Amino acid sequence: NAGVTQTPKFQVLKTGQSMTLQCAQDMNHNSMYWYRQDPGMGLRLIYYSASEGTTDKGEVPNGYNVSRLNKREFSLRLESAAPSQTSVYFCASSEAGVIDTQYFGPGTRLTVL
Amino acid sequence: RKEVEQDPGPFNVPEGATVAFNCTYSNSASQSFFWYRQDCRKEPKLLMSVYSSGNEDGRFTAQLNRASQYISLLIRDSKLSDSATYLCVVNRGSYIPTFGRGTSLIVHP
Repeated sequence: NAGVTQTPKFQVLKTGQSMTLQCAQDMNHNSMYWYRQDPGMGLRLIYYSASEGTTDKGEVPNGYNVSRLNKREFSLRLESAAPSQTSVYFCASSEAGVIDTQYFGPGTRLTVL
Repeated sequence: RKEVEQDPGPFNVPEGATVAFNCTYSNSASQSFFWYRQDCRKEPKLLMSVYSSGNEDGRFTAQLNRASQYISLLIRDSKLSDSATYLCVVNRGSYIPTFGRGTSLIVHP
């Protein structure tokens, strides 16, 4: 039982490049989330998926897109990376929504040059 | 006023000490509250939920004060392994939780 997994763990991009961050959970959770964490800023929600087939914007969605591929997988895409997107990205899942405990993946450390 | 505020610290305490952190929130409609722990360069992990009547888990006690709109975390008999950043999370019942920026705790020998 791996919990929440994320790939890659580290990534360096040049401005304008695109990439997809992958997230998968094996806990049969309904809800999944993407956060970014910046020094001194705390965790901020980018997008979430309340259940399979739905996605919604969070607090800081600009520059990102998401896909809830199936119940297990939720990917985050940067279409044209910018230095302001340098951050640590965490995926999380919960059984029934944010009022429930969230389980986090190990994070992806992204640097955009 | 920020929606969720925490003193960033660091709180520097000796082993065995008792330490307490507060987290204030601005939205009186907030419905659920949690404390998460985050070790350096790791993911956050749930420490405990915070219930209206207060709750305890071993050396950790969490309390909610709705009138003054804050939650607290008390750690008794601090261990070196308690050194971490403690994040409070406040949910308004929507799918958008609000995380505090965290309080750093350093427990020294």
